[in-house]
Amino acid sequence: GENVEQHPSTLSVQEGDSAVIKCTYSDSASNYFPWYKQELGKGPQLIIDIRSNVGEKKDQRIAVTLNKTAKHFSLHITETQPEDSAVYFCAASNSGGGADGLTFGKGTHLIIQP
Amino acid sequence: NAGVTQTPKFRILKIGQSMTLQCTQDMNHNYMYWYRQDPGMGLKLIYYSVGAGITDKGEVPNGYNVSRSTTEDFPLRLELAAPSQTSVYFCASSYLGVLDSNQPQHFGDGTRLSIL
Repeated sequence: GENVEQHPSTLSVQEGDSAVIKCTYSDSASNYFPWYKQELGKGPQLIIDIRSNVGEKKDQRIAVTLNKTAKHFSLHITETQPEDSAVYFCAASNSGGGADGLTFGKGTHLIIQP
Repeated sequence: NAGVTQTPKFRILKIGQSMTLQCTQDMNHNYMYWYRQDPGMGLKLIYYSVGAGITDKGEVPNGYNVSRSTTEDFPLRLELAAPSQTSVYFCASSYLGVLDSNQPQHFGDGTRLSIL
């Protein structure tokens, strides 16, 4: 089945700086890669996703890049703000033959220092 | 729309007890999922359903059962609670599945379950 590795586990950046979180996946047949933000006591909320036919996608201060050859994808947050502090999860779709659904990374705790 | 609603939010069980975690969605989504989240770990898929009357196992189904009698509801049942089932449980739904169309999943706020 799919395996997703996420780094770093904790990331502390100064407010206004950029943050980058990286994930690798194992199954070359995976074709959908969402990123979720989870605030304390809440469920994960989708913030951006990318499909395998696209190399980059941007939504205001958030961008995701995908390198299918290397099987890795990254989340970029620019001009970080205090409300960006949360746990971020990457995920990859389970490919055919496995259960429908997503395989998640272990999460990155992003801390924005004022 | 309320989205995905999970009840209860918190529960403490004794070893061997049983309980049902409730999940309901009002978005007319076909697909529903149950995940568990252990500390410092990502979410792991327990069971999923592609529509009323159809359920399938995920990565970690042992010790759990599900049913899907309606489109809206997807309860998760623990028959004999064990300490290893202490976790936060999340229910999610999507209009179609990731294998079909890469539809985003919408999550509830979770049920924190402790087995003592």
